[in-house]
Order: sequence, then C-alpha cells, then structure tokens
Amino acid sequence: DAGVIQSPRHEVTEMGQEVTLRCKPISGHDYLFWYRQTMMRGLELLIYFNNNVPIDDSGMPEDRFSAKMPNASFSTLKIQPSEPRDSAVYFCASSLMKDTQYFGPGTRLTVL
Amino acid sequence: SQKIEQNSEALNIQEGKTATLTCNYTNYSPAYLQWYRQDPGRGPVFLLLIRENEKEKRKERLKVTFDTTLKQSLFHITASQPADSATYLCALDIPHNQAGTALIFGKGTTLSVSS
Repeated sequence: DAGVIQSPRHEVTEMGQEVTLRCKPISGHDYLFWYRQTMMRGLELLIYFNNNVPIDDSGMPEDRFSAKMPNASFSTLKIQPSEPRDSAVYFCASSLMKDTQYFGPGTRLTVL
Repeated sequence: SQKIEQNSEALNIQEGKTATLTCNYTNYSPAYLQWYRQDPGRGPVFLLLIRENEKEKRKERLKVTFDTTLKQSLFHITASQPADSATYLCALDIPHNQAGTALIFGKGTTLSVSS
C-alpha cells in the first residue's frame, strides 16, 4: 500500500482565497483524521470520520473550515476564506481501529 | 480539562547513552498511550502502544513504561544513535467533548544525539 496520500504538498495562497486540501486514506481503514500542526500549538485534532461519517468536529476552529468524506477513499478539508493565521502544516491520518494512526506527509499551507 | 506535558522541548545526549523522555497527563485515566516519532518535514510515525494494564513494553532498543498511578509514561531509547534524532510525541486516547474519546498529542520532545 502507498500509505496515506495528501495533496498538494505545499500551498501558497493569498488571504481571502479558498483552499482545498485532499487526502486518500489507506485502503480498508475505517477512520480518517485531520490535524493541524504549528510550533505554538503542536498537533491539534480538527475532525475525524468513521466509515465516512463525521464523528467529532469540535476541533474545527470556525465556520471557515469544513471537511467532507464523500467515500471511503477520499476526503477534503476546505478553508474559505483563508486567513494568515491558518498557515500551518495540515496532516491527514487513517486507522483501522481508531488507535494506531498512519499519517500522510502533510500539506504545508502558507496564507499571505 | 485534560493536559498532556512532555518533560522538555529539547534533549541532547551523546551517542551510546540512554535517552529518557517523559510524558505526564492529568485528569483522566486513558485506556492506552502511544508514542510517535516525527522527522522534520514528515508526518508522525507510530512506534509503540501501551495499554493501562501493561507496565512495560519493548521493541528493539525502545522501552515504554506506563504508570497509571503517577499518570506518567517514560520512553527510553537505549544505545542511542544519531539516527534517533527526531521529535517524539506521546498521545493519549482521552474524552474529547461529547463525541467520545480522541487521540490527543503532546507537543513533543526533540531529541538530538551527537556522535
């Protein structure tokens, strides 16, 4: 298996623009997680899905953030409109039993 | 609220020594605790999971202990090598709002092993 795949790896955008991050989990994994990592706050859980259903979105900072999982092999995290404080590395992870998580390489987002 | 603390942001040791990293938590008794390794520019990689009824777990040069009374986990790397230099994160499965539990990460300790 190729592992968790994320795209793009780097994204530079201007404030106010819409940003869409993409994730393909490991085949057969039932759980998918989105995290954000910054130096100040560390690795923060934003939202997670079980069998494509959002279970806990309490970590989503505000209404500008939304996430979808239309099928078992694809998820998106969208920020609209983006702001400079959204600059961070965004990770997607998947797991079989919600314990051991397998992380993707991350998307480094810079909002100017 | 739950709090996870890793003993220090950075730890510097010499090659061949044992590195010991600490993870402390408050206000909850997690069913399990995990340790991950993160290299610069990469996502975290799972290393070990230890359950609440296990005192110790080993994997090659790695050893993890879990003291539910002290609410502490120790992560040891014996015979450390420069290749062990990375950031190590502990993570606990703890209540996260009303949706149940979620894996919450500490901020990590960056280990540097010099030759």
